[in-house]
Amino acid sequence: NAGVTQTPKFQVLKTGQSMTLQCAQDMNHNSMYWYRQDPGMGLRLIYYSASEGTTDKGEVPNGYNVSRLNKREFSLRLESAAPSQTSVYFCASSEQGFYGYTFGSGTRLTVV
Amino acid sequence: KQEVTQIPAALSVPEGENLVLNCSFTDSAIYNLQWFRQDPGKGLTSLLLIQSSQREQTSGRLNASLDKSSGRSTLYIAASQPGDSATYLCAVRFNSGGSNYKLTFGKGTLLTVNP
Repeated sequence: NAGVTQTPKFQVLKTGQSMTLQCAQDMNHNSMYWYRQDPGMGLRLIYYSASEGTTDKGEVPNGYNVSRLNKREFSLRLESAAPSQTSVYFCASSEQGFYGYTFGSGTRLTVV
Repeated sequence: KQEVTQIPAALSVPEGENLVLNCSFTDSAIYNLQWFRQDPGKGLTSLLLIQSSQREQTSGRLNASLDKSSGRSTLYIAASQPGDSATYLCAVRFNSGGSNYKLTFGKGTLLTVNP
């Protein structure tokens, strides 16, 4: 059982370039999330999708867009990358209510 | 604002010692609380999930307790080993009316177990 799969694992972008981070889960979870992790800041929610067809902003959504492509896949897009978006990005999924989260292994993004 | 705080930020202990990691949260209206482990450069591994109706959960050498009224959880690690060295994260799923999906994380406790 793969769980939550993120691609790519590493990426270096130049300022102003765009890219999409991919996430897929095989646990039939309804809800999916994108977090970023920065030293001293902890994990912060960027966007989430409570169910297929819905997306909502989290704590730090500026500079990002998301697409819930289907129940399995939730992508995160950086339209014009900035050095402040250098971070480790984690995708996660869960069921609604009294269930825990499952995280992917992360994407380490550097914007130069 | 709903916040999660972990103390201490770092802890170094000799192998074999029993230890306690602390987590506090600002709102007692929660769905559940989850403890994660993160190794350097890796993702998050779920250790224990405690529902709001539960007082504790155990898995092997790990025991997590929950006291909603005081807004506290502890993670107890028995007979620590060097392989337990990692960052431990506490995360709370607050009951925020219609928006109960999100996890709010503490900043973690970096644990080092010395041989």
